[in-house]
Amino acid sequence: NAGVTQTPKFQVLKTGQSMTLQCAQDMNHEYMSWYRQDPGMGLRLIHYSVGAGITDQGEVPNGYNVSRSTTEDFPLRLLSAAPSQTSVYFCASSWTGFGSPLHFGNGTRLTVT
Amino acid sequence: AQKVTQAQTEISVVEKEDVTLDCVYETRDTTYYLFWYKQPPSGELVFLIRRNSFDEQNEISGRYSWNFQKSTSSFNFTITASQVVDSAVYFCALSGTPMEYGNKLVFGAGTILRVKS
Repeated sequence: NAGVTQTPKFQVLKTGQSMTLQCAQDMNHEYMSWYRQDPGMGLRLIHYSVGAGITDQGEVPNGYNVSRSTTEDFPLRLLSAAPSQTSVYFCASSWTGFGSPLHFGNGTRLTVT
Repeated sequence: AQKVTQAQTEISVVEKEDVTLDCVYETRDTTYYLFWYKQPPSGELVFLIRRNSFDEQNEISGRYSWNFQKSTSSFNFTITASQVVDSAVYFCALSGTPMEYGNKLVFGAGTILRVKS
């Protein structure tokens, strides 16, 4: 099993550009989420989904869009990149059971210039 | 509101020393889960342990042990006889959200542990 797969690993964007970070899991997890990691701030939740067709905002959703058309995939879209979105992005999945451990992808390091 | 505080930004120890990473949490929920994750220099996040709010037993796994105390809202992590491979960022996290909101975890800022040989 591959677990949670994120692509790309690294990305450099110019301000104003858009892009999609891909996330796929093969564990049949219903719950998927996106976090961003910034120095001194831990991981903060951007968006999450409790199943196909259902998404909701997390703590820091502005500037990001998500959709969930299948159980396996949960892409994160940056609509118009800003330097403040320079960060490391992690996708995670789990069973929907309360307290299930999150399984993380290996992360995408994004730099916006 | 839920909050996790890891007051130690960075700790440096010499190999074979014991080290304790502190984690203090805030939640109004009576049922919640606490987690520890490890992030080695390679960058991935590795799940270490989960503890629910009704289980205050301490846990030991090899050189790792965890001390959960509801009275002080703490869930501390001790590494005994530290090794260079323990060098990583360690995150404490809290999940106190009902199931209808999925499985949201609130993370602390992390503690950087450097183990020198």
